[in-house]
Amino acid sequence: GNSVTQMEGPVTLSEEAFLTINCTYTATGYPSLFWYVQYPGEGLQLLLKATKADDKGSNKGFEATYRKETTSFHLEKGSVQVSDSAVYFCALLPSGGSYIPTFGRGTSLIVHP
Amino acid sequence: DGGITQSPKYLFRKEGQNVTLSCEQNLNHDAMYWYRQDPGQGLRLIYYSQIVNDFQKGDIAEGYSVSREKKESFPLTVTSAQKNPTAFYLCASSIGTTRVNEQFFGPGTRLTVL
Repeated sequence: GNSVTQMEGPVTLSEEAFLTINCTYTATGYPSLFWYVQYPGEGLQLLLKATKADDKGSNKGFEATYRKETTSFHLEKGSVQVSDSAVYFCALLPSGGSYIPTFGRGTSLIVHP
Repeated sequence: DGGITQSPKYLFRKEGQNVTLSCEQNLNHDAMYWYRQDPGQGLRLIYYSQIVNDFQKGDIAEGYSVSREKKESFPLTVTSAQKNPTAFYLCASSIGTTRVNEQFFGPGTRLTVL
């Protein structure tokens, strides 16, 4: 079956540090890949997505590149802010069938001033 | 503004009672979903519906029920058969018919069993 594995959190950084949150996936075919962000007490919202190999999704300074050869979609940001503190979820949508997404367990990011 | 609304934001239930969580969307999306979120466990799919008057069980459907009588509404009932219902419940929707479309989430309902 499909699966998404994210690095364990929490990830704790100082403001302006470089961020990487690792995400690898298992799926047949060519899934679409997503990063969602969840702020405390809220629902998830889409951060970025990529729908085919070598695509780069980007938004609000965050980037992730769809790497088919390593089945990865790592999230990066060059300089984090306190306001980036949240839980980040990696997800995939399979290329066929029921279009039900598979989510990773989420990675908590804490950014200190 | 298009979006998904969930109500109430907080809900308290006594043991043995059924309770219904509301989810409404005005995005004209065909597919709607219910997830349960517990600390450290990510999202677990309870039920989903890809078209009006049809819905399917997800990974943890036991103790829950849903209906989809209208395209914009997908209420979730937490029954007394659900052994541990205290959790954060998220409703989502998507266009549903392609592999490239993301989900849109509501703000969630936090259910506490007293």
